[in-house]
Amino acid sequence: DAMVIQNPRYQVTQFGKPVTLSCSQTLNHNVMYWYQQKSSQAPKLLFHYYDKDFNNEADTPDNFQSRRPNTSFCFLDIRSPGLGDAAMYLCATSSGQGEEKLFFGSGTQLSVL
Amino acid sequence: SQELEQSPQSLIVQEGKNLTINCTSSKTLYGLYWYKQKYGEGLIFLMMLQKGGEEKSHEKITAKLDEKKQQSSLHITASQPSHAGIYLCGADRDDYKLSFGAGTTVTVRA
Repeated sequence: DAMVIQNPRYQVTQFGKPVTLSCSQTLNHNVMYWYQQKSSQAPKLLFHYYDKDFNNEADTPDNFQSRRPNTSFCFLDIRSPGLGDAAMYLCATSSGQGEEKLFFGSGTQLSVL
Repeated sequence: SQELEQSPQSLIVQEGKNLTINCTSSKTLYGLYWYKQKYGEGLIFLMMLQKGGEEKSHEKITAKLDEKKQQSSLHITASQPSHAGIYLCGADRDDYKLSFGAGTTVTVRA
């Protein structure tokens, strides 16, 4: 089945140690998103790519970066994770069409020690 | 930015009973989406509403968008353990973005 796959499901990192989360898709969608979701809160959009065009949300900290080397893959880099960055990170894709606007992966739960 | 308020924050329902979740927007909704999230997992699409007064159903779940397009409700009939999870409403921000409410956690007791 066509899918959005996130790896790993659980990631533990140390305070200040760079970490990378990955997302891949077989849907061939041109838009890919990264959302941050903290416990009992709404998912918060960090940034998205429309093809190779990177679009940062105004309130996304500089500590968060992203790379999209090709259509299928997108990475979230956290340069110096703080305790407040512990959260679920959700990758989503979209073709911009159809009722199911966003297709989500299963998420990566990040813990910062 | 669009604010989406969901109520209640959480609810517990006896298996077989009905439940309703509400989503209220501070602005006119041009596209309203309902997603379900199991704890620690991604979001699963349920349905999308666009027109004032629109109502859609899938199995035992019915969603409505009011005529003024600022409020939506999600109703589950005869709840089952499989209905347990977090229900989130999402709204179009522009062509390619969705903003979400904080979710309603549903617990179904046998």
